[in-house]
Amino acid sequence: GEQVEQRPPHLSVREGDSAIIICTYTDSATAYFSWYKQEAGAGLQLLMSVLSNVDRKEEQGLTVLLNKKDKRLSLNLTAAHPGDSAVYFCAVSNNAGAKLTFGGGTRLTVRP
Amino acid sequence: ETAVFQTPNYHVTQVGNEVSFNCKQTLGHDTMYWYKQDSKKLLKIMFSYNNKQLIVNETVPRRFSPQSSDKAHLNLRIKSVEPEDSAVYLCASSSTERLFFGHGTKLSVL
Repeated sequence: GEQVEQRPPHLSVREGDSAIIICTYTDSATAYFSWYKQEAGAGLQLLMSVLSNVDRKEEQGLTVLLNKKDKRLSLNLTAAHPGDSAVYFCAVSNNAGAKLTFGGGTRLTVRP
Repeated sequence: ETAVFQTPNYHVTQVGNEVSFNCKQTLGHDTMYWYKQDSKKLLKIMFSYNNKQLIVNETVPRRFSPQSSDKAHLNLRIKSVEPEDSAVYLCASSSTERLFFGHGTKLSVL
């Protein structure tokens, strides 16, 4: 089955810096890619999602890059601020139903 | 805006007790899920229900059982809790690949 590796597990950046989180997956049939944010004491919330026909998507200071050749998905937070401090998860599926495979999570800390 | 509601927020209990967690979604979704999140934040899917039909059961221990009265509700019962059951249990719902999560129920087993 699908395996998703996410790195780094912990990331600390200064306010205004960029933060990059990377996931690699194993199933070449993977067609749906997403990023979730989990704030302290809360559930996960969808940040962005892309289908396999999209290589790059930007929204509100977030950039998702998809490299299907290397089976790599990344999330780039440009100009991070303390409110971005949270745990981030990638999640992928092959579109066969809604079963998502999650990465292990990245705890991001943005220092003022 | 939260549309997946979980109760209780926290529960502390002793080994061997029975516990039950409730989840309700107001999104009209057909599929609901229970995930277990451990202390390292790793997520593991436990169950999913689609129109009251169990469609995924990821080999969780038999002491766990999902209970659904209708497609808007999916409860989780643990018959005899063990220390390794301490975790956050997250309920979610979906109509497509996108999941909507509740805030979770944190279980502590003493």
